[in-house]
Amino acid sequence: AQSVTQLGSHVSVSEGALVLLRCNYSSSVPPYLFWYVQYPNQGLQLLLKYTSAATLVKGINGFEAEFKKSETSFHLTKPSAHMSDAAEYFCAVSEPGGGNKLTFGTGTQLKVEL
Amino acid sequence: DTAVSQTPKYLVTQMGNDKSIKCEQNLGHDTMYWYKQDSKKFLKIMFSYNNKELIINETVPNRFSPKSPDKAHLNLHINSLELGDSAVYFCASSQDISGANVLTFGAGSRLTVL
Repeated sequence: AQSVTQLGSHVSVSEGALVLLRCNYSSSVPPYLFWYVQYPNQGLQLLLKYTSAATLVKGINGFEAEFKKSETSFHLTKPSAHMSDAAEYFCAVSEPGGGNKLTFGTGTQLKVEL
Repeated sequence: DTAVSQTPKYLVTQMGNDKSIKCEQNLGHDTMYWYKQDSKKFLKIMFSYNNKELIINETVPNRFSPKSPDKAHLNLHINSLELGDSAVYFCASSQDISGANVLTFGAGSRLTVL
């Protein structure tokens, strides 16, 4: 069975500082991994995805994530936070042959302060 | 043109009532989903349909009945509403059931049961 753990339900950074949102997964087969972002009162939008190509994945808005099989991690980073990055971030996992069933983590609320 | 549209956006109703939420996608996708997001922002899949065929049914009470008249529509009917049904319900679609596919989400339908 697949699962996702996001450490830290709330993360606060200063504008211009590094953003690091943690995600660890559990999967019985090589997984597909995703980061989605949710702005207030909106649906989820894809930030980036890993599907067994390059382990360092670049996404929109300057975000990137690195797949580390040995650590079963897929942490999301951005070198310099912007006020507009304040949102809820969800890590998600699916498995090949699993009917595209996405299992989400519990989310991390990112706050960006001046 | 909205890719995945849900109606209504807000729904307030009394316990015991029956209500429906409609979803339509204009992306030409084969697969559609319903996800439930609770008050703690936790997202859980409820159902998925591929070309009008039920693929995933995640131990949802049988008061919830999805219906897919064609592959562009997936509606959710809820009978005998309970307080615990209060949540935001998200419709989503993807190209097909491959686990690598990205989900496109609607803006959500916030259901409040009084």
